[in-house]
Amino acid sequence: GENVEQHPSTLSVQEGDSAVIKCTYSDSASNYFPWYKQELGKGPQLIIDIRSNVGEKKDQRIAVTLNKTAKHFSLHITETQPEDSAVYFCAASGSGTASKLTFGTGTRLQVTL
Amino acid sequence: NAGVTQTPKFQVLKTGQSMTLQCAQDMNHEYMSWYRQDPGMGLRLIHYSVGAGITDQGEVPNGYNVSRSTTEDFPLRLLSAAPSQTSVYFCASTPQGAGTEAFFGQGTRLTVV
Repeated sequence: GENVEQHPSTLSVQEGDSAVIKCTYSDSASNYFPWYKQELGKGPQLIIDIRSNVGEKKDQRIAVTLNKTAKHFSLHITETQPEDSAVYFCAASGSGTASKLTFGTGTRLQVTL
Repeated sequence: NAGVTQTPKFQVLKTGQSMTLQCAQDMNHEYMSWYRQDPGMGLRLIHYSVGAGITDQGEVPNGYNVSRSTTEDFPLRLLSAAPSQTSVYFCASTPQGAGTEAFFGQGTRLTVV
């Protein structure tokens, strides 16, 4: 089955700096790569996703890049703000109706003033 | 729309007791899944369902049962609780398989003593 590795496990940045979280996956058949943000006491919420036919996707201060050859994808957050502090999860899945979503182990991001 | 609703939010069980974690969604999603979240291990798939009457095992199914008699409901049953099942449990639903946005409930924090 799919295996997703995520690094780093914790990340501390100063407000205004950029943050980068990296993930690798093992199954070359995976073609959907979402990123979820989990705030304390809440369920994960999708913040951005990318499919294998796209190399990069941006949404305001967040962007995701995908390198299918190397089987890795990254989340980039620019101009970080205190409200970006949360746990971030990457994930990977195929697109079939019976496919499964496999998550990385999470990155705790802390944005300090 | 309420989205995905999980009950209860908190539960303490004694070893050997059984219980059912409830999950309901009002978005008419076909695909539903249960995850457990443990420190340092991300979210791990327990069971999933691609539609009413169809369920399948995920990564960590032992000790858990599921059924899907309606599109809306996907309960998770603990047959004989063990301390190793102490975790936070999340239910999620997606419109079409794992390759689309997953909507998570608020979670159930379960402690088995």
